Amino acid sequence: EIVLTQSPGTLSLSPGERATLSCRASQSVSSSYLAWYQQKPGQAPRLLIYGASSRATGIPDRFSGSGSGTDFTLTISRLEPEDFAVYYCQQYGSSSWTFGQGTKVEIK
Amino acid sequence: EVQLVQSGAEVKKPGESLKISCKGSGYSFTSYWIGWVRQMPGKGLEWMGIIYPGDSDTRYSPSFQGQVTISADKSISTAYLQWSSLKASDTAMYYCARQDDYVWGSYRAFDYWGQGTLVTVSS
Repeated sequence: EIVLTQSPGTLSLSPGERATLSCRASQSVSSSYLAWYQQKPGQAPRLLIYGASSRATGIPDRFSGSGSGTDFTLTISRLEPEDFAVYYCQQYGSSSWTFGQGTKVEIK
Repeated sequence: EVQLVQSGAEVKKPGESLKISCKGSGYSFTSYWIGWVRQMPGKGLEWMGIIYPGDSDTRYSPSFQGQVTISADKSISTAYLQWSSLKASDTAMYYCARQDDYVWGSYRAFDYWGQGTLVTVSS
């Protein structure tokens, strides 16, 4: 099973700042099968990025994804108040899906 | 509009059985995989398993194989997650989610999610 490790665990930033979130896989992941989700308290997760770098429908362009192999990144170019949330990466491989443990982006 | 609507919160005792549901609408229910995801209190997301309602092909995470059963009734566009004997450690929020699919294939991401069903198991 592929293990995804996200870092940092918590990111303390101010609105307007840039956020860079990391997702590292224990073995190579197809870029086609790497996704990112946002979850706010009391809500279901929301798909942000699929295929490592494609934004889902309705996702603002301040969200971008990049990476390949074992290292992937989610970047939020300028944090808006509504972006403070928990972010998860997810991969698919060998008929199995796994999620990272999450990165919390909190207001500094 | 694509929607996944899950059944309501449940409070059960250890050893009891339970079946929760996820009803899809606004798309061809039989053409998209539906996954189940667990979120224990204050914790992250865990993939449990997935089913293709068109033919009921089902895959389970090794962590959940034998612990739960996933099924679907395509005649009513509904997927299910069930337990035969609940434990206190099954207390969690459970989400169903649709796996994406495009003309050119799938990215294996979950593009639509249900609102979640909170299951509480306590004596």
